[in-house]
Amino acid sequence: EAQVTQNPRYLITVTGKKLTVTCSQNMNHEYMSWYRQDPGLGLRQIYYSMNVEVTDKGDVPEGYKVSRKEKRNFPLILESPSPNQTSLYFCASSLKGPAGVGEAFFGQGTRLTVV
Amino acid sequence: GESVGLHLPTLSVQEGDNSIINCAYSNSASDYFIWYKQESGKGPQFIIDIRSNMDKRQGQRVTVLLNKTVKHLSLQIAATQPGDSAVYFCAENEAAGNKLTFGGGTRVLVKP
Repeated sequence: EAQVTQNPRYLITVTGKKLTVTCSQNMNHEYMSWYRQDPGLGLRQIYYSMNVEVTDKGDVPEGYKVSRKEKRNFPLILESPSPNQTSLYFCASSLKGPAGVGEAFFGQGTRLTVV
Repeated sequence: GESVGLHLPTLSVQEGDNSIINCAYSNSASDYFIWYKQESGKGPQFIIDIRSNMDKRQGQRVTVLLNKTVKHLSLQIAATQPGDSAVYFCAENEAAGNKLTFGGGTRVLVKP
């Protein structure tokens, strides 16, 4: 089954404690991205990757890091989480990118709470 | 389920009626648009897309209309069903760009 898998689904952590949210896709997609979703602000892109070893900042990259060492995985790293990073996070992938084939598959989301 | 938005505009529609969801975009350089549906507790799901060289595209029970003159996009759902209850987002992509920009979303509630 074609899917984007995020882990964990729920996470509560403390300020400053490094964490990683994993994302994996099984569709051999080149393009992957991370979004955060906040009430009243909709979905905002954090980082995206056009292919292995190619990553770029989205609209709200501050406080986040990503890596793309292999095609299927695109982890989101919070080196020193802060309460303003409490949010619902989504990973997405598509074959060629938003201007290409277009259809994007989204993961189920990760609810992160930073206290 | 997950809280998608506390301040979303809401469209309430009777089951069986047609729904029209509107989206205004601001970037005149955008040339590709997508509609997504997000059900409670789930990630967004692709519905339909349209490129700027078209003004209408139809799918199964859905139609997207694009008016570039006024930078307006709409999604029409025919014979709305209870399973159509969700939050709907439009997204735009700037020509030759690699980022999607999402609109704020509209909540659709289908009344039986």
